[in-house]
Amino acid sequence: DSGVTQTPKHLITATGQRVTLRCSPRSGDLSVYWYQQSLDQGLQFLIQYYNGEERAKGNILERFSAQQFPDLHSELNLSSLELGDSALYFCASSGGTIADTQYFGPGTRLTVL
Amino acid sequence: EDKVVQSPLSLVVHEGDTVTLNCSYEVTNFRSLLWYKQEKKAPTFLFMLTSSGIEKKSGRLSSILDKKELFSILNITATQTGDSAVYLCAVETSGSRLTFGEGTQLTVNP
Repeated sequence: DSGVTQTPKHLITATGQRVTLRCSPRSGDLSVYWYQQSLDQGLQFLIQYYNGEERAKGNILERFSAQQFPDLHSELNLSSLELGDSALYFCASSGGTIADTQYFGPGTRLTVL
Repeated sequence: EDKVVQSPLSLVVHEGDTVTLNCSYEVTNFRSLLWYKQEKKAPTFLFMLTSSGIEKKSGRLSSILDKKELFSILNITATQTGDSAVYLCAVETSGSRLTFGEGTQLTVNP
């Protein structure tokens, strides 16, 4: 158990819908990262927040957005969902300093029908 | 564009064998290289390497980084069926973003 929690574990929805994935980092960690893992693209970095502010952006679509709240939990919002958005979405957390290890949560499996 | 390449993509061995997994990278602003093990769920951290030539060891697993030749290896000795997993190599660059390789699927047969 990494100490990172994610909810829900599974999510099934229809195309065009909007969903919110939630992540609570390990106690004391200030940084939260979101990753998408699909069968054809492997693990892809989406976005990072540090202490409430966006720090780095990866291959995140404009239909996706994220935020980190004062209590340091984070939410990833996915809208206008497409079939290709079906994937495992991981959240990871770290202390936020350089070369700090990222610990992964159990993931949310999103299925878009 | 940052790139991480792992080889082989797939490996099947018998219990007791020793395996070597490879990871090469081409990135800008290298900070560290990490190895993760993924068994149908979240990746679990194995090693973080930041300096060349210094071996990191944990039980039967060990890893080393060569920053001049831009690669790392992960060795597993006396493999067990419980070592069966996907082993992911990731390179951390500026902004703490991780770029992952495709992974090596290791299967250890009894």
